[in-house]
Amino acid sequence: GQNIDQPTEMTATEGAIVQINCTYQTSGFNGLFWYQQHAGEAPTFLSYNVLDGLEEKGRFSSFLSRSKGYSYLLLKELQMKDSASYLCAGMDSNYQLIWGAGTKLIIKP
Amino acid sequence: DTEVTQTPKHLVMGMTNKKSLKCEQHMGHRAMYWYKQKAKKPPELMFVYSYEKLSINESVPSRFSPECPNSSLLNLHLHALQPEDSALYLCASSQDKGTGYEKLFFGSGTQLSVL
Repeated sequence: GQNIDQPTEMTATEGAIVQINCTYQTSGFNGLFWYQQHAGEAPTFLSYNVLDGLEEKGRFSSFLSRSKGYSYLLLKELQMKDSASYLCAGMDSNYQLIWGAGTKLIIKP
Repeated sequence: DTEVTQTPKHLVMGMTNKKSLKCEQHMGHRAMYWYKQKAKKPPELMFVYSYEKLSINESVPSRFSPECPNSSLLNLHLHALQPEDSALYLCASSQDKGTGYEKLFFGSGTQLSVL
């Protein structure tokens, strides 16, 4: 079966660094997405990885290891506005997105 | 314009009502999606339109009826819903369907409550 696993909830301190992990099992693989979703709002695109390695975009970076079926989202210099849910989604061979349940990130002052 | 616009933002309806959710995008995207999202759960795909044709229907009950009048508009017609259908309904669009890099642009959603 197809599955995306990520932690349910994480807590971090303002100004710190946090890494949100995601493991995936999909039928075929056409990339791994990360989306941010604030409570009651729509998900917004953060990153896409299809090749192994680290992609950096400002304070946010995303890493992929296809051999391990593993990705992480790294958030640096955390701000209070980063409090949100972070959704990992893998794209299978039919170009369908398989979504994780999301990781709720709580930032404390 | 990089927005997907959804109306209404909130909707309360009875189980005998008929209502419609509307979605619009002007990015020239050829794929449009309806997702349902319950609190603290990931989005669940309901329907996908590709080039104005229904390409995916994820076994959604017939009380949900999608319509794509043109490449910019997507509707979801609701009839005889159940309380368990209460959820956030998200519309999304992407450049194309089936090309790999399908970055989705989501609308802000319609929070639906069925009484």
